[in-house]
Amino acid sequence: NAGVTQTPKFRVLKTGQSMTLLCAQDMNHEYMYWYRQDPGMGLRLIHYSVGEGTTAKGEVPDGYNVSRLKKQNFLLGLESAAPSQTSVYFCASSQGGSQETQYFGPGTRLLVL
Amino acid sequence: GQNIDQPTEMTATEGAIVQINCTYQTSGFNGLFWYQQHAGEAPTFLSYNVLDGLEEKGRFSSFLSRSKGYSYLLLKELQMKDSASYLCAVKGGFKTIFGAGTRLFVKA
Repeated sequence: NAGVTQTPKFRVLKTGQSMTLLCAQDMNHEYMYWYRQDPGMGLRLIHYSVGEGTTAKGEVPDGYNVSRLKKQNFLLGLESAAPSQTSVYFCASSQGGSQETQYFGPGTRLLVL
Repeated sequence: GQNIDQPTEMTATEGAIVQINCTYQTSGFNGLFWYQQHAGEAPTFLSYNVLDGLEEKGRFSSFLSRSKGYSYLLLKELQMKDSASYLCAVKGGFKTIFGAGTRLFVKA
């Protein structure tokens, strides 16, 4: 099992450009999450999903959109990138119910110039 | 509001014991996690406490007091590879709120 994978690993964008980050998990988990991690601020939840076809806002959703068309995939979109979105983005998944442990992908480093 | 506090940095000596504290104030509580994160890598699960008390797992133990909003992670027989950030996180409903993490430096 690959666990949680993220594509791409690293990307440089210019302000105003758009991009999509892909997260895939092969553990048949119900819940999936997108976080950003900035120095000194810990992980902050952007959006999450509790099942295929569902999405919900987290702590810092502005400037991001998500979709969960397939259970195994969770996409994070930036429609018009801003320098404030320079960060490391982590995707995670969990089984849901009483199984709360989240399994994280390797992260995507995004630099917006 | 929701707040999780943990020390920013700690230093300890190889072979010693270190305790990393975490205090929290959150609107909901289902359980408390500890994750380990090495520099440049993803967080990995260490422990999950739902009830008060001490959970021991090898060299690592985690304690929870829900009435005090307090937890600690105890690392025994420190090894150089334990140098990492340790993240305290509280699960409430569907969401998990993470602290900023404690960076632990283990010196020889």
